[in-house]
Amino acid sequence: GDSVTQMEGPVTLSEEAFLTINCTYTATGYPSLFWYVQYPGEGLQLLLKATKADDKGSNKGFEATYRKETTSFHLEKGSVQVSDSAVYFCALRENSGGYQKVTFGIGTKLQVIP
Amino acid sequence: NAGVTQTPKFQVLKTGQSMTLQCAQDMNHNSMYWYRQDPGMGLRLIYYSASEGTTDKGEVPNGYNVSRLNKREFSLRLESAAPSQTSVYFCASSSHTFGSGTRLTVV
Repeated sequence: GDSVTQMEGPVTLSEEAFLTINCTYTATGYPSLFWYVQYPGEGLQLLLKATKADDKGSNKGFEATYRKETTSFHLEKGSVQVSDSAVYFCALRENSGGYQKVTFGIGTKLQVIP
Repeated sequence: NAGVTQTPKFQVLKTGQSMTLQCAQDMNHNSMYWYRQDPGMGLRLIYYSASEGTTDKGEVPNGYNVSRLNKREFSLRLESAAPSQTSVYFCASSSHTFGSGTRLTVV
């Protein structure tokens, strides 16, 4: 079956540091890939997505590139801010029997300190 | 504002009590989903509804029932709550727009 692997963290960085959160996946078909962000006490919000190989998703300074050859979708940001502190979920989505099946990673907690 | 609305936001139940979590979306989406979120396990699908009038089991359906009342509403019911159902529950629509969650504690 489908699966998504990411480290749980927490990842602790100083403000303005470079961020990488690794995400790898296994899938039976050709999934779309997503990063979601969850701020404390809130639901998940879509951060960025990529629907095919070599696509780059980007939003709010975050980027991730769909790498089919390495089955990866690593999240990067050049300079993190305290306001980026949150939990980040990598996910893949495939059409399955009439609905969109989404498989989530366990989430990586990011803490940015001033 | 368009989106997914969940109620209640917080709930404490005693073991054996029942309750229904409500979810409504105003985006005219066909599919709706219920997930639970537990530490170290990410989000796991409980039930989903591909369209009005249909529901199907997800990864962890035991102990839950659902009702797709109409296109807007998709409720999750716990008939006899157990401590293992202590979790944060999220409803989502087709585009995986999420509600803000229901934090449920079963004591």
